[in-house]
Amino acid sequence: AQKVTQAQTEISVVEKEDVTLDCVYETRDTTYYLFWYKQPPSGELVFLIRRNSFDEQNEISGRYSWNFQKSTSSFNFTITASQVVDSAVYFCALSGGRGQGGKLIFGQGTELSVKP
Amino acid sequence: KAGVTQTPRYLIKTRGQQVTLSCSPISGHRSVSWYQQTPGQGLQFLFEYFSETQRNKGNFPGRFSGRQFSNSRSEMNVSTLELGDSALYLCASSPGQRNTGELFFGEGSRLTVL
Repeated sequence: AQKVTQAQTEISVVEKEDVTLDCVYETRDTTYYLFWYKQPPSGELVFLIRRNSFDEQNEISGRYSWNFQKSTSSFNFTITASQVVDSAVYFCALSGGRGQGGKLIFGQGTELSVKP
Repeated sequence: KAGVTQTPRYLIKTRGQQVTLSCSPISGHRSVSWYQQTPGQGLQFLFEYFSETQRNKGNFPGRFSGRQFSNSRSEMNVSTLELGDSALYLCASSPGQRNTGELFFGEGSRLTVL
C-alpha cells in the first residue's frame, strides 16, 4: 500500500528563519512520483514541485529547496528566509506510475505559521 | 486564463438528501480529478475522469459518483448524505492524457450535512 507521512502537524517560526518540512513515503512501485502542494487559506492547492523516482537530484527554486533521498524514503522541503506569505498548509503527495497521475496519496499536511 | 471553477462554493444539506457539485476545468484541460478533504481523514482521492471516462477510482462507497461531459466539465454526486460527508470537495484539472500529477485545483465546494 502507498502511504505518505508528515510527522509535523504544525510549525511556527519567526520571519527570516529557515524551516524544513519532513515527508516520508511508502510504496512498492519502482516508478513513482512525489509532489509538494501548498494550500493557502483560500483553499485551493497550489502545485510546487514534482519529482520522479529515478531523479534524486536536489532542486532549488528561489527560497525553496527539496531533498529527495530514496535510501530513507524521504522528500523534505526547506524554505530559506521564511516570509509571512509562506504561511499555509503544505502537503506532500505520492502517485504511482503510468496512468495514476490524477490519483495522489496525500500526507496529513503541515501547517506552517510564519510570524513577523 | 481562468482557473478551475467550482460551484456552489458553500452549501448546507440535511441527512438523506443528495447533492451535486460542479467543476469547470481550465480551458483545454481534459482530465478532472475530485478529492474530499476533512480534518480527520485529510485529502482523499475520489475519482478521475478523462474524455468522459472514469480512469481511476478511490475507496469511497457507491453513494459517491461522478461524470464528465464532452466539454470536460465534471459533476460529482453524493446520494443519501451522511453527517460524515461534511467536507471540502476539491476538483482539479490537468492538461492531457498523460496525467503527470501536476494538478490545478479549484477553491472547493464546502458541504455541511446537518
